[in-house]
Amino acid sequence: QLQLQESGPRLVKPSETLSLTCTVSGGSISRSAYYWGWIRQPPGKGLEWIGTIHYSGNGNTYYNPSLKSRVTISVDTSKNQFSLRLNSVTAADTAVYYCARLHSSAWSLDSWGQGTLVTVSS
Amino acid sequence: QSALTQPASVSGSPGQSITISCTGTSSDVGAYNYVSWYQQHPGKVPKLMIFDVSSRPSGVSNRFSGSKSGNTASLTISGLQAEDEADYYCASYTTSSSLVVFGGGTTLTVL
Repeated sequence: QLQLQESGPRLVKPSETLSLTCTVSGGSISRSAYYWGWIRQPPGKGLEWIGTIHYSGNGNTYYNPSLKSRVTISVDTSKNQFSLRLNSVTAADTAVYYCARLHSSAWSLDSWGQGTLVTVSS
Repeated sequence: QSALTQPASVSGSPGQSITISCTGTSSDVGAYNYVSWYQQHPGKVPKLMIFDVSSRPSGVSNRFSGSKSGNTASLTISGLQAEDEADYYCASYTTSSSLVVFGGGTTLTVL
C-alpha cells in the first residue's frame, strides 16, 4: 500500500526558506503514470495547489503562478523522495503542507500524506 | 490563475440530496473531463471521491456522483447521512502553467 510522509522543520523564521521532503513507500516514485505534488492549507482555509513534478525531471515541473517565483520542487529517485522549497516566507505561508500523488491519466490526487503544520514565526 | 468557484456552504437533511457546483473556465473545467472532488473532515486528510468528472474510486459510496455541463461541474450526494458532513473541494486539470487548480471549498452541513 502506497504511503507518503512529509518531514521537515515545523517552525521557520520570516524571510527564511521552508523546506519539506515527502518520502514515498510501498511504490516507486519512478513510475511514468504519476506526478508528485504539494498542496497547502492555511488554518481555517481551503486547499491551495503549490505545484508538481514528474520523476523524469525539471522539464516536467509545474507551479502555481502565484507562488512560482518562490517555489522549487525537486525529486530524488534514489531515495524515493521529492521535496519542496519555498523562499522568503511570511506568516501567510503558515499552513498544513500535504504531499500527494497525482495520477496523470485522470489528473486527480489519489494518495495523500498526513500533512505537516509549518508555522512561520520569529 | 483564479481558483474554481464553489458555494461557501450548502446544507440538507438526512435522506435528502444536495448538489455542489464548481464553476471554472474554458481553460480548465470546460476544456477537459478531468474534474475531481475531495472530501475533508475536520482535521483529516482530503479523500478523493470523484475523478474524471463522474468516476468513483473503489470503496466510495455510489451515493456520490459527479457531472459536468460546460464550464460547471457538480457533485451530488444522495441519501444524505450525518457522516457526509465535511468540506468538499473540486479540482481540475488546467491548461495554465500550474497543471491543477482547486476550488475554494464548500462546507456541507447535515441538519
